Amino acid sequence: GAVVSQHPSWVICKSGTSVKIECRSLDFQATTMFWYRQFPKQSLMLMATSNEGSKATYEQGVEKDKFLINHASLTLSTLTVTSAHPEDSSFYICSAIRGAHSFGGYTFGSGTRLTVV
Amino acid sequence: GNSVTQMEGPVTLSEEAFLTINCTYTATGYPSLFWYVQYPGEGLQLLLKATKADDKGSNKGFEATYRKETTSFHLEKGSVQVSDSAVYFCALSDPGSSNTGKLIFGQGTTLQVKP
Repeated sequence: GAVVSQHPSWVICKSGTSVKIECRSLDFQATTMFWYRQFPKQSLMLMATSNEGSKATYEQGVEKDKFLINHASLTLSTLTVTSAHPEDSSFYICSAIRGAHSFGGYTFGSGTRLTVV
Repeated sequence: GNSVTQMEGPVTLSEEAFLTINCTYTATGYPSLFWYVQYPGEGLQLLLKATKADDKGSNKGFEATYRKETTSFHLEKGSVQVSDSAVYFCALSDPGSSNTGKLIFGQGTTLQVKP
């Protein structure tokens, strides 16, 4: 079945530094990937939609310059948290579409726990 | 706009008890409906789905029926196990939306099953 690999699974960084999270579709081509953020004991909040070869579409209230998304190939999307602050600490999850989205073609990565100290 | 509402948790049950987690939705068009499960520290796994009215999704003993008349997609299992302890998310996607492919999630319901 479809597999999405997300790396790293956890990361601790200092305030002011940048962190890159990778999301790879291992056995299929993903023209569209999504980045979500999940706060403790809360639901997933869609941050942005990443389309291969074009600029990401950000949800309202998400800072484009802070959360840089690059989808340079059909199997890789990256999320870079720039100048991280403690309030950016969260669980970040990516998902990728395989085929027609309406048929449940979403596959999720295992998530990245980011802690900013 | 589109939205999903789940019953608040946590839901605490004894092993072999019957489970129902309620989910209702508001959507334009004809959404597909999903249940995802998240085990501690992990990402989401698709549990089951239904793409049109009256469809029943099922997997691992879990079932949910797409009820258009009541705009509901309640999750049920006849006999839960300790290993079912997790957070369950109801979600919808609207193929008619200009933002094609977006999933809208409910707030999640934590299930705790005790031996």
